[in-house]
Amino acid sequence: EDQVTQSPEALRLQEGESSSLNCSYTVSGLRGLFWYRQDPGKGPEFLFTLYSAGEEKEKERLKATLTKKESFLHITAPKPEDSATYLCAVQAPDAGGTSYGKLTFGQGTILTVHP
Amino acid sequence: GAVVSQHPSRVICKSGTSVKIECRSLDFQATTMFWYRQFPKQSLMLMATSNEGSKATYEQGVEKDKFLINHASLTLSTLTVTSAHPEDSSFYICSVGTGGYEKLFFGSGTQLSVL
Repeated sequence: EDQVTQSPEALRLQEGESSSLNCSYTVSGLRGLFWYRQDPGKGPEFLFTLYSAGEEKEKERLKATLTKKESFLHITAPKPEDSATYLCAVQAPDAGGTSYGKLTFGQGTILTVHP
Repeated sequence: GAVVSQHPSRVICKSGTSVKIECRSLDFQATTMFWYRQFPKQSLMLMATSNEGSKATYEQGVEKDKFLINHASLTLSTLTVTSAHPEDSSFYICSVGTGGYEKLFFGSGTQLSVL
C-alpha cells in the first residue's frame, strides 16, 4: 500500500526565516511526486511534479527536491502570503497499470508565516 | 486562469435529499476525471475515477450507488450524492490531468453540509 508521511504537521516561521518541509514515501512504481498548496476552503493549487531522484524544481521562493525515499520543499525567505497547507502526493499506476491519475496524499504541513 | 471549474462551491441540504456537483475541464478535453473527498483536518482521499462514456471506477469502501458519477462529455463530470446524510458532509474536489498526467489540476471544491 502506498504511504506518504509529511512532517512537521505544523510549522510557524517568522517572515524571512527559511525552512524545509519533508515528505517521506513508500510506493510501488513511483511515477511522480507532486507538491500542492491548499488555502482554507479551496482546492489544491499545483506547484511541482518531480520524477526521479536528484531532480529539483523551483518557483519563486519554493524549491522542491527528490530522493529515492523522500522529497523536500524548501521555502526561502518566506512571506506571510506563503501561509497555507502544503500537500505532498505520490503518483503510481492503478491496478490495471494503465492510469496514472490516482494520487495518494500525505496529511499536509500547515505553514504559518508571521510578519 | 482556472483549469478546472467546480460548482457549487457550497451547498447545505436536508438529510435524505440528493445533491449534484459539477466539474468542468476548461482548458482541455478530459477522458478521465477524478473525485476526491476531504474531511476536516484530513488529507484528500480518492473516491472514484470518472471515465467518459463508460462506468466510473470506485475505490474500495466507496458506495457506488450512493455516489453516482456521470461523465457524459469530454469536459464535464458530475457527482451526485444520493440520499445524503450528515456523515456525508465533507469537502468534495475533482481533478483533471494533462494527457500523460504530468500535471493534475484540482477544482475549487464543494463544501457539502447535510443537516
